[in-house]
Amino acid sequence: DTAVSQTPKYLVTQMGNDKSIKCEQNLGHDTMYWYKQDSKKFLKIMFSYNNKELIINETVPNRFSPKSPDKAHLNLHINSLELGDSAVYFCASSRTGTGDEQYFGPGTRLTVT
Amino acid sequence: GENVEQHPSTLSVQEGDSAVIKCTYSDSASNYFPWYKQELGKRPQLIIDIRSNVGEKKDQRIAVTLNKTAKHFSLHITETQPEDSAVYFCGPSGTYKYIFGTGTRLKVLA
Repeated sequence: DTAVSQTPKYLVTQMGNDKSIKCEQNLGHDTMYWYKQDSKKFLKIMFSYNNKELIINETVPNRFSPKSPDKAHLNLHINSLELGDSAVYFCASSRTGTGDEQYFGPGTRLTVT
Repeated sequence: GENVEQHPSTLSVQEGDSAVIKCTYSDSASNYFPWYKQELGKRPQLIIDIRSNVGEKKDQRIAVTLNKTAKHFSLHITETQPEDSAVYFCGPSGTYKYIFGTGTRLKVLA
């Protein structure tokens, strides 16, 4: 059974388009996250949600809008895509969000042309 | 804001040698200190963690040591093997927030 899944795995799109990435976890965890990993491999937190509530928004442009319909899902919608948005986006979850292991999804490689 | 630094950024060792990676952080509220391993094209995965009430933890060939006063913790890998080659991230955290270090690329030369 897949613990944290993301779709799609690859996303190639043009500048100015709007796209979404979906994430689901079947671990029963309370907290979910989105991370961006750029070409230099820096892993930067974007958002964290606890029980569907936004907890952390790390100075991410408002073109990025996360949505958590329930605590097992955290989707990421990106408007007006820019070249600099090209990266690998990882979803993750952890049991409580207070000092526990994070389980990462397989990542979504977004390429903006 | 919080600052997390990892050193070195790259590390090459001969198979069988030891490797040490150090993580320095600034947020005194951090109370959980994990290390993640990311193989090429894969997701990060936890390899070892320590909490602030413990100074050292060992799991077979890997160990983590914590100096909370000095705000740093280190990953130690002994008897390195080619499959240890990967990027390693520290990720000190408090509540709902994990700030990852800049990563260390470890190459184990056969």
